[in-house]
Amino acid sequence: RKEVEQDPGPFNVPEGATVAFNCTYSNSASQSFFWYRQDCRKEPKLLMSVYSSGNEDGRFTAQLNRASQYISLLIRDSKLSDSATYLCVVRMDNYQLIWGAGTKLIIKP
Amino acid sequence: EAGVTQSPTHLIKTRGQQATLRCSPISGHTSVYWYQQALGLGLQFLLWYDEGEERNRGNFPPRFSGRQFPNYSSELNVNALELEDSALYLCASSLGSAGPEKLFFGSGTQLSVL
Repeated sequence: RKEVEQDPGPFNVPEGATVAFNCTYSNSASQSFFWYRQDCRKEPKLLMSVYSSGNEDGRFTAQLNRASQYISLLIRDSKLSDSATYLCVVRMDNYQLIWGAGTKLIIKP
Repeated sequence: EAGVTQSPTHLIKTRGQQATLRCSPISGHTSVYWYQQALGLGLQFLLWYDEGEERNRGNFPPRFSGRQFPNYSSELNVNALELEDSALYLCASSLGSAGPEKLFFGSGTQLSVL
C-alpha cells in the first residue's frame, strides 16, 4: 500500500460545479498536510496547508480527518483555470515529505 | 528576485550514459532538494543538501548522486542511465530545513533516456 494515495482521475467537471477529492495516508505519525497544484509540465506550487480545524481560502476548502487518515480538497464554483493536477503532501515527524501521485482535474466550459 | 533555476530544460541521453542536472536556488536559500517525477507517479524524493552537506537520501541506487557547491547551487548526477530514469527532475530550495509551505520549485529538467 502506498503511503499517500490519491485517485488519479481525471475528474471531468463542468465550469461552475463543485468538486471534491480525497487523499489518504497510511502513517499515523504524519504531522502536517498540504495541497499543491501542478499545471501540465510545470513545477508544483503550494495551494494551501491543511489545518486540523479545516481551512478555507476563497473557493478552496481543505479538511483533515485524522481518525480516518485522509485529507480532502473542495473546490466551489470551479473555473477553467482550476484545471491542473492536485498533489497531496504529507510531512512526517522526521520532516520527510511524502507526495501523492496527484489527482487530475479538467474543468470543461 | 530570481526563482529556482534549473538547466538544462531538456536532456536526451542513451542507456549507459551519464547525465548532469543543475540547480540554482533562490538567493539566500541554503537547502536544495531533488525529486524525480516519472509519468503518472508522485514526486519521489532523491536527495536533500543543506549548507554543502548531504542531509538525507531517498530510496534510489547509488548511481544517483549529487553535490552542493559553496554558493548553494547543486548538481545531480545520474550514472549508467537506464530507460526507467526517464522523468522530470525537479529541484526545490528553502531556507534550511523547511516544510512544504516553504519549498520553491524550479521548472524542472525533462530527462529522456533512449
